[in-house]
Amino acid sequence: EADIYQTPRYLVIGTGKKITLECSQTMGHDKMYWYQQDPGMELHLIHYSYGVNSTEKGDLSSESTVSRIRTEHFPLTLESARPSHTSQYLCASSVGTHYGYTFGSGTRLTVV
Amino acid sequence: AQKVTQAQTEISVVEKEDVTLDCVYETRDTTYYLFWYKQPPSGELVFLIRRNSFDEQNEISGRYSWNFQKSTSSFNFTITASQVVDSAVYFCALTRGQNFVFGPGTRLSVLP
Repeated sequence: EADIYQTPRYLVIGTGKKITLECSQTMGHDKMYWYQQDPGMELHLIHYSYGVNSTEKGDLSSESTVSRIRTEHFPLTLESARPSHTSQYLCASSVGTHYGYTFGSGTRLTVV
Repeated sequence: AQKVTQAQTEISVVEKEDVTLDCVYETRDTTYYLFWYKQPPSGELVFLIRRNSFDEQNEISGRYSWNFQKSTSSFNFTITASQVVDSAVYFCALTRGQNFVFGPGTRLSVLP
């Protein structure tokens, strides 16, 4: 039973559309993360949050934005999707880095 | 700076063979944690093991075993009697402050 949920699982959308990828966790974790990954390839940290109203950009520059209004919710938004945004987006949460991450199932985004 | 190297990009073995996945890391931290994650074709990342820098005991869990050697900065992962269900991409990760550094992954294919 997943404790971190990502929706949608798959999304195909046209260029220029605004999209929001949802991520929610029920574990009360303060730390949450978004990673971008081409299938089976390296994971790139694009955003992270250490708590409510705290968000930071990660190692990989991304045109997406995030918000953290509630502890359990960490949505990622693309204002204008482009084909270069086609990728898998993985959300994760952690009670502390030394405990590791719990990952969601991911959203596979295709922009046509 | 922290870095994780997984030199084996892809490995193919025949079912029931043993296979070792290599992980070499770099860090200046005296306290750190190392992890292995499995990413099956479905895309989610599954936590396998955590090891802290003060615990060099090797660990065995069923067909899985891990060999942590600080002297060589390595944290290798061995699957004994591999099975087709072991086919996945395996990622080694190292703590970096409140985040992780992931290796590039090793794609393991176990052929029937």
